[in-house]
Amino acid sequence: DIVMTQSPDSLAVSLGERATINCKSSQSLLYSFNNKNYLAWFQQKPGQPPKLLIYWASIRESGVPDRFSGSGSGTDFTLTISSLQAEDVAVYYCQQYYTTRTFGQGTKVEIK
Amino acid sequence: QVQLVESGGGVAQPGGSLRLSCAGSGFTFSTYGMHWVRQAPGKGLERVAFIGHDGSNQDYAVSVKGRFTVSRDNSKNTLYMQMSSLRVEDTAVYYCVKDHRDSSGITGGRDTWGQGTVVTVSS
Repeated sequence: DIVMTQSPDSLAVSLGERATINCKSSQSLLYSFNNKNYLAWFQQKPGQPPKLLIYWASIRESGVPDRFSGSGSGTDFTLTISSLQAEDVAVYYCQQYYTTRTFGQGTKVEIK
Repeated sequence: QVQLVESGGGVAQPGGSLRLSCAGSGFTFSTYGMHWVRQAPGKGLERVAFIGHDGSNQDYAVSVKGRFTVSRDNSKNTLYMQMSSLRVEDTAVYYCVKDHRDSSGITGGRDTWGQGTVVTVSS
């Protein structure tokens, strides 16, 4: 299975400041036939199922605020929250869907 | 609108069995592969099993291989997972997930998740 590694494990950011989460895969997630990276980002709040934020590494899901953005290609990816809001406190997961499904270990985002 | 509704969760004893179901609607169920993903209390997300659109292809995580069996009934638009020889460490929320790609290879770019069903294994 492809191994997904996130960093950091936790992150404390002041309201209105930028939060950056990194995700590295053990092999490339780029499909050459369509030039898409099969990498998604999820947000999970306590007691709720994971919510899709970003797919194909950089496409924002409908209804997701534009302060969330995804970037990267191949094996290195980043989720950025440009201006942290109180409602963004959550655990964030990256997931590859190039083959079956594997997930990063999660990054807990808190308010400083 | 795509909907996935899991059911069948509950409490089982170690060594016992449970069968989970996932009813799909709002899409052509028979043309999509389906996954089960779980999350133990306070832990991360873990893939459990996959089944191809026609049931001919299954894949399991090492942790459940030989104990769990995924199946589907396309006439009922329903996905199943038979869980046997349950262990305490199988305690989790189990999510049903629709694959992003249909049987002809067309992709919408992202999977769709259900709300989950809770399985507790305890004596």
